[in-house]
Amino acid sequence: GIQVEQSPPDLILQEGANSTLRCNFSDSVNNLQWFHQNPWGQLINLFYIPSGTKQNGRLSATTVATERYSLLYISSSQTTDSGVYFCAVDGETSGSRLTFGEGTQLTVNP
Amino acid sequence: DVKVTQSSRYLVKRTGEKVFLECVQDMDHENMFWYRQDPGLGLRLIYFSYDVKMKEKGDIPEGYSVSREKKERFSLILESASTNQTSMYLCASSFLAAGRQYFGPGTRLTVT
Repeated sequence: GIQVEQSPPDLILQEGANSTLRCNFSDSVNNLQWFHQNPWGQLINLFYIPSGTKQNGRLSATTVATERYSLLYISSSQTTDSGVYFCAVDGETSGSRLTFGEGTQLTVNP
Repeated sequence: DVKVTQSSRYLVKRTGEKVFLECVQDMDHENMFWYRQDPGLGLRLIYFSYDVKMKEKGDIPEGYSVSREKKERFSLILESASTNQTSMYLCASSFLAAGRQYFGPGTRLTVT
């Protein structure tokens, strides 16, 4: 099946810093989604982004499908951005099932 | 906003008990999913349903069954709970099969 790798696995920032999270995938995809899991376990869908660039406030995402990667940018980070960020892909042969990466654990310190 | 709710945030059951986890979504979504999340193993798909009374096995269906009698409700059933089913269970829904997924708050199940 499709492989999804996220980097870095852990990231510690000071409040106000910017960061870039990366997601590499091993095969062609129908779609790609970014999620944030807060410390209470709730997963929030940040972006549905099979290709191109989208922005939502301080967050933006870019997917380059031909090169099989996606980037999530967080600008002016806040302590509430802490948590785990997951990338999930629906491979072209996956039958509409999402495969999740291992996640990036982000800690933003005040 | 899409709202997905799960019947319990925390649940403690004994080995051998039959356990029901309920998930309800209010957006008329066709597709619903059950995942479990374990440290070091990430999120894994247990079962999904693309229509009422329809179900498909995910990657780890063993020891589980599901029921979807109404469009808004998708239940996960542990016929005889075992300690290796202690986990965080997450329900999700989407309008399209490959569409944007929305998750519930999760149920942390402990089987003793």
